[in-house]
Amino acid sequence: DAGVIQSPRHEVTEMGQEVTLRCKPISGHNSLFWYRQTMMRGLELLIYFNNNVPIDDSGMPEDRFSAKMPNASFSTLKIQPSEPRDSAVYFCASSFSGREETQYFGPGTRLLVL
Amino acid sequence: GQQLNQSPQSMFIQEGEDVSMNCTSSSIFNTWLWYKQDPGEGPVLLIALYKAGELTSNGRLTAQFGITRKDSFLNISASIPSDVGIYFCAGQIGGSQGNLIFGKGTKLSVKP
Repeated sequence: DAGVIQSPRHEVTEMGQEVTLRCKPISGHNSLFWYRQTMMRGLELLIYFNNNVPIDDSGMPEDRFSAKMPNASFSTLKIQPSEPRDSAVYFCASSFSGREETQYFGPGTRLLVL
Repeated sequence: GQQLNQSPQSMFIQEGEDVSMNCTSSSIFNTWLWYKQDPGEGPVLLIALYKAGELTSNGRLTAQFGITRKDSFLNISASIPSDVGIYFCAGQIGGSQGNLIFGKGTKLSVKP
């Protein structure tokens, strides 16, 4: 079975550019999570969707970050404009609704903003 | 906000040795989870614990949900080279739905 799919796997961009990260959750899962991982702060939840609706976006760092889930099989995380401090690994995870504690993670997107 | 204190930060052991790591919190959690992350990959769920005192095994891995609901440990018996990676604990507070709090991880190195 296909797990969570993320693209791109690696992204190098220049400061000020727009970055769009993509995620396809596991089929049948209706909860989706975006995380950011850095050495300093570890794994942090950015935003959480349930049935395509954002439930908790308190972890989104600032207005430069936005996330959408237009349908059950696709989500995007956009950073505009990007800054060097946004460099991190961004993970998408999904779970069944009601079992949000058991999340399945994608392979991550490694973002480097120069 | 809530924090999980995970220890040790890193471990260097010989193949065949047993390993123990733990997480503590000042907050009470309803669920404890243990994940493993291999280099260049996302975390993979190893064990989920749902009740205080619960002891659960997954092969050579054993994890327990502390009685106080503020701690959990993970043991790995007879370590092998493929156990290398970073192990994360995560806790869920009741009513927080998907909001998991992650520890900073324990980096395990196994010498053949």
